[in-house]
Amino acid sequence: GDSVTQKEGLVTLTEGLPVMLNCTYQTIYSNAFLFWYVHYLNESPRLLLKSSTDNKRTEHQGFHATLHKSSSSFHLQKSSAQLSDSALYYCALSDQNTGNYKYVFGAGTRLKVIA
Amino acid sequence: GGIITQTPKFLIGQEGQKLTLKCQQNFNHDTMYWYRQDSGKGLRLIYYSITENDLQKGDLSEGYDASREKKSSFSLTVTSAQKNEMAVFLCASTDRDSDYTFGSGTRLLVI
Repeated sequence: GDSVTQKEGLVTLTEGLPVMLNCTYQTIYSNAFLFWYVHYLNESPRLLLKSSTDNKRTEHQGFHATLHKSSSSFHLQKSSAQLSDSALYYCALSDQNTGNYKYVFGAGTRLKVIA
Repeated sequence: GGIITQTPKFLIGQEGQKLTLKCQQNFNHDTMYWYRQDSGKGLRLIYYSITENDLQKGDLSEGYDASREKKSSFSLTVTSAQKNEMAVFLCASTDRDSDYTFGSGTRLLVI
């Protein structure tokens, strides 16, 4: 079945340093959608980025990610971490060709930005 | 804009108790989901429903029941709460033309 791997459970960074959260996936379907959701404490998880286009950079709120189908990766990046970026980040996969809109989520990466 | 409301926000139960969590959405979304969030394990799907009165088991359905009484509501029942259990339960909804929208969660503690 489909799976999403987020290797890092916790990433701790000093403010101003670049952010990179890893996401790799496995699927048999060629038209997979990849997503990044962000979950701030005491709020609802919300969509940060999504893509289904190979090798196209997607950006939102200072974050960016590029879907690379050749390496099955969709890493989340930001050039300079801010204290307010501290949150739980989920990578997710959806095979919408099958008509099944169920997402498969990774284990999540907690980003902690310190001063 | 729409909203997903989960009630209660906090739930304290006793071991062996049957506990019910509720979720309401006004997006008119067809599909609704219940996930359990545990540290280091991500979001694990308990049940989902693709339309009113439909129920589909997820990977973590054992120990839970669900009910989709109408399109806008989806409830989850913990059939027998386990002592010292602590988790966050997240409800979400979606349809063909939208991404997942989540509620703010119900935090469960079993004493």
